[in-house]
Amino acid sequence: DAMVIQNPRYQVTQFGKPVTLSCSQTLNHNVMYWYQQKSSQAPKLLFHYYDKDFNNEADTPDNFQSRRPNTSFCFLDIRSPGLGDAAMYLCATSRGGGPDIQYFGAGTRLSVL
Amino acid sequence: DAKTTQPPSMDCAEGRAANLPCNHSTISGNEYVYWYRQIHSQGPQYIIHGLKNNETNEMASLIITEDRKSSTLILPHATLRDTAVYYCIVRRSVNGNKLVFGAGTILRVKS
Repeated sequence: DAMVIQNPRYQVTQFGKPVTLSCSQTLNHNVMYWYQQKSSQAPKLLFHYYDKDFNNEADTPDNFQSRRPNTSFCFLDIRSPGLGDAAMYLCATSRGGGPDIQYFGAGTRLSVL
Repeated sequence: DAKTTQPPSMDCAEGRAANLPCNHSTISGNEYVYWYRQIHSQGPQYIIHGLKNNETNEMASLIITEDRKSSTLILPHATLRDTAVYYCIVRRSVNGNKLVFGAGTILRVKS
């Protein structure tokens, strides 16, 4: 059974139209991460939540925001998607503390028209 | 976190052992070596991690040199489903510490 679930698997949006990607987890993990993976590149961390504490990467554009209303859910909001934001967006979770393991969802592939 | 160097690609015959090397010459004493893999169009999957000692689980073995400057991931009997990008990542044991993915090694298992 999937433990980190991302919906939808494929998302198409228009240039400049806000879009939200969702992630849920059944692992009750403390930490949730959002990664961006562009075509033929490695995943790159955008930000993560440790419980309710938000940690933004220094080079994450302001266009990207995140919400974590409870332990199970985390959302990625792209306020004004540009063509360069087309990518696979990966959600991951980890227990936090010590040499923990990150568990990834299958990803949401975002297309911007 | 220390940087890693991996060969861009490797081929392996089905049923044979796949040995994937990783150099991490600047690794610090409190940094772990992690391996993840990413099968096409899927999220990365954890394989194994270690600090100093060699490790084995149901998926693979991890051999870390005594000076910890390099390691080898071993898939003992590679199958076609093991074709993926394999990432070697060095990271500290810190709460919520991120994974910094390098370019990885594309492993192609051929019949």
